[in-house]
Amino acid sequence: QQQVKQSPQSLIVQKGGISIINCAYENTAFDYFPWYQQFPGKGPALLIAIRPDVSEKKEGRFTISFNKSAKQFSLHIMDSQPGDSATYFCAASHFGNEKLTFGTGTRLTIIP
Amino acid sequence: ETGVTQTPRHLVMGMTNKKSLKCEQHLGHNAMYWYKQSAKKPLELMFVYNFKEQTENNSVPSRFSPECPNSSHLFLHLHTLQPEDSALYLCASSQVAGITEAFFGQGTRLTVV
Repeated sequence: QQQVKQSPQSLIVQKGGISIINCAYENTAFDYFPWYQQFPGKGPALLIAIRPDVSEKKEGRFTISFNKSAKQFSLHIMDSQPGDSATYFCAASHFGNEKLTFGTGTRLTIIP
Repeated sequence: ETGVTQTPRHLVMGMTNKKSLKCEQHLGHNAMYWYKQSAKKPLELMFVYNFKEQTENNSVPSRFSPECPNSSHLFLHLHTLQPEDSALYLCASSQVAGITEAFFGQGTRLTVV
């Protein structure tokens, strides 16, 4: 019930392309879905987050798409750049509950 | 820098040693967290402190002992660890537990030999 499944485990995208990372959850009580970005040697940092009252949220080149009926959400990185190379984690929680449930992470590499 | 500082950055310890990890936040937050990050596994929440009170212990073995003397400092005391405890230990803080964004430190890379 608490699991968040993330795919793919690793992803290689050419510079300028679109990177897409997918997550699926089981607990219908989840109502907060953040994405974290982690560079080597650094802790995770909040990138973008969405609540289920909207189906899409865009911040710059980063977009979250949310499908409540399918219990899925995804991160799209448009015009991917080498500086986007990092590990991305999706997460989910019930707002107000400090227990963030994380996915296993996606290692994204953007090649020139 | 996120305002959350962890020391040491790297630690190698034997199974019979006792050591402590330190976390300090300069953000004026009231909640602090310990997470464990292992390769190919999701981040695991270990402990939560909200206004210096422990509000969550996620079934963590007693060989890990947290301490929160004030809202700015968090410690994780380690003793008689096992090799499978080797991981990146991350500290995080937020204004209030579960309500606001959590800011992570850079972590302590722990190796148990």
